[in-house]
Amino acid sequence: AQSVTQPDIHITVSEGASLELRCNYSYGATPYLFWYVQSPGQGLQLLLKYFSGDTLVQGIKGFEAEFKRSQSSFNLRKPSVHWSDAAEYFCAPDNGNQFYFGTGTSLTVIP
Amino acid sequence: GAVVSQHPSRVICKSGTSVKIECRSLDFQATTMFWYRQFPKQSLMLMATSNEGSKATYEQGVEKDKFLINHASLTLSTLTVTSAHPEDSSFYICSAPDSGANVLTFGAGSRLTVL
Repeated sequence: AQSVTQPDIHITVSEGASLELRCNYSYGATPYLFWYVQSPGQGLQLLLKYFSGDTLVQGIKGFEAEFKRSQSSFNLRKPSVHWSDAAEYFCAPDNGNQFYFGTGTSLTVIP
Repeated sequence: GAVVSQHPSRVICKSGTSVKIECRSLDFQATTMFWYRQFPKQSLMLMATSNEGSKATYEQGVEKDKFLINHASLTLSTLTVTSAHPEDSSFYICSAPDSGANVLTFGAGSRLTVL
């Protein structure tokens, strides 16, 4: 069965620290891969996407993600977190027919 | 860029009544739209895929007769929660693929509260 896993339900980091949010998927073939962010009181926003080619993709707000086929992972990273990055982050593979969302990782940023 | 408008943003209704939520693609056509449900502090759960001119495809466990979906035009899909009950209170979000970009554009969501 197809599935997506975000192992970390909640992460707390200090402002300025680095961040990595994990995402693992289980699909028959490599899906398209997306990361979305949902800020408090706001809608969902696309951070970045991977379709093919270079496995390290750059997104908005200084985020990047690396696709690792051998690990079926698409982890989201940021070198230096800002307080405004506090939000809920969703990994969302697309198997070509439908988008499915991971359970989400809630990020708290402390001063 | 592509914009998806969702209305109403908030709705409160009495138990037993029906509520309709609209999802419109404002500057692009969407033959497919997706309806999600989000409980507090939980992930988005895909409820159904709305297909223009044909029946919606529902995810397992989603009651077709309770959550009626109509995709009557290339820019409008509606979700009607019939005979709503308090357990239907949730955040409902629609999205549509931006044609050619294979990227989802989301509506701002509709918060339903059933008293």
